Amino acid sequence: GIQVEQSPPDLILQEGANSTLRCNFSDSVNNLQWFHQNPWGQLINLFYIPSGTKQNGRLSATTVATERYSLLYISSSQTTDSGVYFCAVAVWGSGNTPLVFGKGTRLSVIA
Amino acid sequence: SAVISQKPSRDICQRGTSLTIQCQVDSQVTMMFWYRQQPGQSLTLIATANQGSEATYESGFVIDKFPISRPNLTFSTLTVSNMSPEDSSIYLCSVLGGSWANEKLFFGSGTQLSVL
Repeated sequence: GIQVEQSPPDLILQEGANSTLRCNFSDSVNNLQWFHQNPWGQLINLFYIPSGTKQNGRLSATTVATERYSLLYISSSQTTDSGVYFCAVAVWGSGNTPLVFGKGTRLSVIA
Repeated sequence: SAVISQKPSRDICQRGTSLTIQCQVDSQVTMMFWYRQQPGQSLTLIATANQGSEATYESGFVIDKFPISRPNLTFSTLTVSNMSPEDSSIYLCSVLGGSWANEKLFFGSGTQLSVL
């Protein structure tokens, strides 16, 4: 099955700093999503981004499908950005496969 | 996005007992997904629940241990049977939604299960 690797596994930032999280995947996909799990366990869908670039406020994401990676950018980080960021991929269409999650990047933003 | 209500939010159970987790969605959805997140780990899909048919289980998960019901298009339950401490995890219900092609996955708030 598809393998998903996320880096770095852990990241500590000072409030206001920028960061880049990476997701590598082992096969062609047509579905890629980024999630944020806050310290209380709630999972929030940040982006659906199988290719291209999207931005939402201080967050943006880019997926280069041909090179099998995606990047999540966090600018001007805030303490509320703390938590775990997951990348998940799948091939959906004929012969759907379930979303496979990476192990996540644990982000701690300190004031 | 869909609003997903999951309960209980947490429970502490004794070894050998069973717990049923409920998931209610505010709109009709074809597929509902149940995930498990063991402490400090990523998410693993347990099964996909389709209304009107038996759930489809992923490798390593069996119906006897995790029976699922899907009586209608807005509701599903997952039962964790004959629990052991290894079943201590967060269990999450999820559905597909999105602006045009139901391409995004949305999650309930999860059920934190501790087995003593």
